Amino acid sequence: GAGVSQSPRYKVAKRGQDVALRCDPISGHVSLFWYQQALGQGPEFLTYFQNEAQLDKSGLPSDRFFAERPEGSVSTLKIQRTQQEDSAVYLCASSLTGFTSNEQFFGPGTRLTVL
Amino acid sequence: SQKIEQNSEALNIQEGKTATLTCNYTNYSPAYLQWYRQDPGRGPVFLLLIRENEKEKRKERLKVTFDTTLKQSLFHITASQPADSATYLCAPRKYNQGGKLIFGQGTELSVKP
Repeated sequence: GAGVSQSPRYKVAKRGQDVALRCDPISGHVSLFWYQQALGQGPEFLTYFQNEAQLDKSGLPSDRFFAERPEGSVSTLKIQRTQQEDSAVYLCASSLTGFTSNEQFFGPGTRLTVL
Repeated sequence: SQKIEQNSEALNIQEGKTATLTCNYTNYSPAYLQWYRQDPGRGPVFLLLIRENEKEKRKERLKVTFDTTLKQSLFHITASQPADSATYLCAPRKYNQGGKLIFGQGTELSVKP
């Protein structure tokens, strides 16, 4: 595809349910990032992959959050036992390489609402 | 701890005027600074990157400055148009930051016709 795609666009979960959010990066992009964005705030970093290797997961808020990118392309962010504070927009981004100067291309995000 | 601050209040200006948005950072020595635009319901879109050894960068109606002494970047949109209305995010980046972006909270710009 032409850009980064994410699915689903909207997800409503009951507290305690597990959810899985998918990201399809731009083809050939080595680096993939997940961010969490609360209303009225800038995106906050969660985790980063270079190919299939998860190089940084320092932003994951708890061990309920897990991300993978097994074949170095599509990535899934899984949240177990969702809590109300997990409600946010989850953004995925990809870049050609992991170099500092590279721009990141963002998907439209998945809006997660936990009831 | 490192901190990135952008104008928290929305900026309302008249069409045709120049919009100036501020990004201040503390406890930080970024090598680059990126600006992104975000429209409601969409992901951020990259606009400009400025390096620490560049004082100013221009792209069409956009101009970014980077003052490492003041620890500040200014983002200007000249001849503003209603279509420029969006939230603008700054993201200073250090050399050893890895790939991740650390964003300010963003400034919402509204350009009235």
